[in-house]
Amino acid sequence: DGGITQSPKYLFRKEGQNVTLSCEQNLNHDAMYWYRQDPGQGLRLIYYSQIVNDFQKGDIAEGYSVSREKKESFPLTVTSAQKNPTAFYLCASSIGLLSYEQYFGPGTRLTVT
Amino acid sequence: KNEVEQSPQNLTAQEGEFITINCSYSVGISALHWLQQHPGGGIVSLFMLSSGKKKHGRLIATINIQEKHSSLHITASHPRDSAVYICAVRSGGQGGSEKLVFGKGTKLTVNP
Repeated sequence: DGGITQSPKYLFRKEGQNVTLSCEQNLNHDAMYWYRQDPGQGLRLIYYSQIVNDFQKGDIAEGYSVSREKKESFPLTVTSAQKNPTAFYLCASSIGLLSYEQYFGPGTRLTVT
Repeated sequence: KNEVEQSPQNLTAQEGEFITINCSYSVGISALHWLQQHPGGGIVSLFMLSSGKKKHGRLIATINIQEKHSSLHITASHPRDSAVYICAVRSGGQGGSEKLVFGKGTKLTVNP
């Protein structure tokens, strides 16, 4: 079955620690995205990648970093510089950048205390 | 004012009712998406449309580009339709790059 996997489903960290969220897809999609969802707000774009070894900042990139060393993988690191890291994080992919339907992963709920 | 506004924010219906969720936007767009988010958090794309109307099973999505408005209809609603429905528009961003702008979602509860 083709799809997007995110792990873990729930993640707990202490303040001041960096944490990396995993996103893997086997859809052979070129474009991948990371979104953040907070209660009562729409999804906001953190980073996106159009192709391997290339990525661009989205609307709320501060305090986050990404890498795209393989087509299938687009991990997101939430650094200690992110002031409000507790949120629901969604990874998505599409055949091409934005012009196509996006497929979403199941999400990771990160809680930082 | 948000670029994408959805109404209502919350909607409760009885099984079998006809449901309408509305989405209005204030920017020029090249496409509009309707997404469904289940309580577990996963999101499924329902429709992507740039004009007219699309139908899939009991779901119908329409868009009026001139009025900058889209509607999602659910016929013969069922408790399994309970979810958050999200409208997102694809519009030009800074430097000419497009981006998706999301509404806050409409939470639908269908009671048996």
